[in-house]
Amino acid sequence: DAGVIQSPRHEVTEMGQEVTLRCKPISGHDYLFWYRQTMMRGLELLIYFNNNVPIDDSGMPEDRFSAKMPNASFSTLKIQPSEPRDSAVYFCASRSGYSNQPQHFGDGTRLSIL
Amino acid sequence: AQSVTQPDIHITVSEGASLELRCNYSYGATPYLFWYVQSPGQGLQLLLKYFSGDTLVQGIKGFEAEFKRSQSSFNLRKPSVHWSDAAEYFCAVGAGNNDMRFGAGTRLTVKP
Repeated sequence: DAGVIQSPRHEVTEMGQEVTLRCKPISGHDYLFWYRQTMMRGLELLIYFNNNVPIDDSGMPEDRFSAKMPNASFSTLKIQPSEPRDSAVYFCASRSGYSNQPQHFGDGTRLSIL
Repeated sequence: AQSVTQPDIHITVSEGASLELRCNYSYGATPYLFWYVQSPGQGLQLLLKYFSGDTLVQGIKGFEAEFKRSQSSFNLRKPSVHWSDAAEYFCAVGAGNNDMRFGAGTRLTVKP
């Protein structure tokens, strides 16, 4: 079975540009999570969705960040405008059912803002 | 809210030696506990999980972990480490509020 699919795997762009990260969760999973991983702060939860509805976005660092889930098989995380401090690895994860079930992670998008 | 601590940032073991990675959690009720492994350039892969029942759980790749409520611990063990086990290991604690907290990770180096 296909796992969580993220694209692109790597993104290098200049400060001020819009960045869009994409995620396809595992089919049938009703929860989707976006994380950011940096050396300084470790793994941080940015936002999560349940049945395509955003439930908790308290981890989104600023208004420059936005996330959508237009349907059960696709989500985007957008940064506009991007800044060098946004450089990190961004992970998408999905889960089925209750919180005692594990999250399944994609391979991440390594984002570099110059 | 729950929290998790991994006291060891970096551990080095010789190939063939036993391994124990420490994880301590803080949560008022019985938590849901997970260990993940992350290889360079990859996402987190689930090794094992615990949420009820037998306190000694078996996972993939020969790993096991033991839940000790009295010590608020969920340490990961492997009797004989292989060079391919070199990676970063994350302990995570979840609760009914869908909020999963990850530890800072322990980087494992395996000496030949």
